[in-house]
Amino acid sequence: ETGVTQSPTHLIKTRGQQVTLRCSSQSGHNTVSWYQQALGQGPQFIFQYYREEENGRGNFPPRFSGLQFPNYSSELNVNALELDDSALYLCASSWFGEGRTGELFFGEGSRLTVL
Amino acid sequence: DAKTTQPPSMDCAEGRAANLPCNHSTISGNEYVYWYRQIHSQGPQYIIHGLKNNETNEMASLIITEDRKSSTLILPHATLRDTAVYYCIVIATGANNLFFGTGTRLTVIP
Repeated sequence: ETGVTQSPTHLIKTRGQQVTLRCSSQSGHNTVSWYQQALGQGPQFIFQYYREEENGRGNFPPRFSGLQFPNYSSELNVNALELDDSALYLCASSWFGEGRTGELFFGEGSRLTVL
Repeated sequence: DAKTTQPPSMDCAEGRAANLPCNHSTISGNEYVYWYRQIHSQGPQYIIHGLKNNETNEMASLIITEDRKSSTLILPHATLRDTAVYYCIVIATGANNLFFGTGTRLTVIP
């Protein structure tokens, strides 16, 4: 186990709705990254948060947004859900700073189904 | 975005060494080679990384060619629990975006 917890583990939404996914990072980590993994594909980088600000973003539209809180936990929000948003959403925590190794610690993911 | 090439699938007999190749012919001098794996229905798990020297830890060994254009991940004694998708990733120091690609699906056969 990595110490990274995500909630909820599974959820079903309908097209047009909004969803919030949550992630608690591993103790001692200050950075959270979010990835989307469609069925049969590798994870795709959505964005990363460091010091409560977005610190890099992948090729995802603005309706994907996030937050990082002072305790380093994070939320991923997706507005106006589309069918193609159905995927496993993975959160990963890491340490950004002196001694950084680039190793990410992933949670088990939140599986979103959009109908 | 693709910086690595991996075979889509491999089989390995239980107890034997699993050797997973990765080509990264366009790797830059400041880019590391990382390996992660993803067991079914779980999040990816870090295995090992290296810059130019061979590396070994409790999970695996990483052999990087002298020209750094390819590498091999070695699981010395594969077990059924090693069945997973293995991702080879090249990333520069300070970068924050791992590009996973589609990886190699390793099946360990009893």
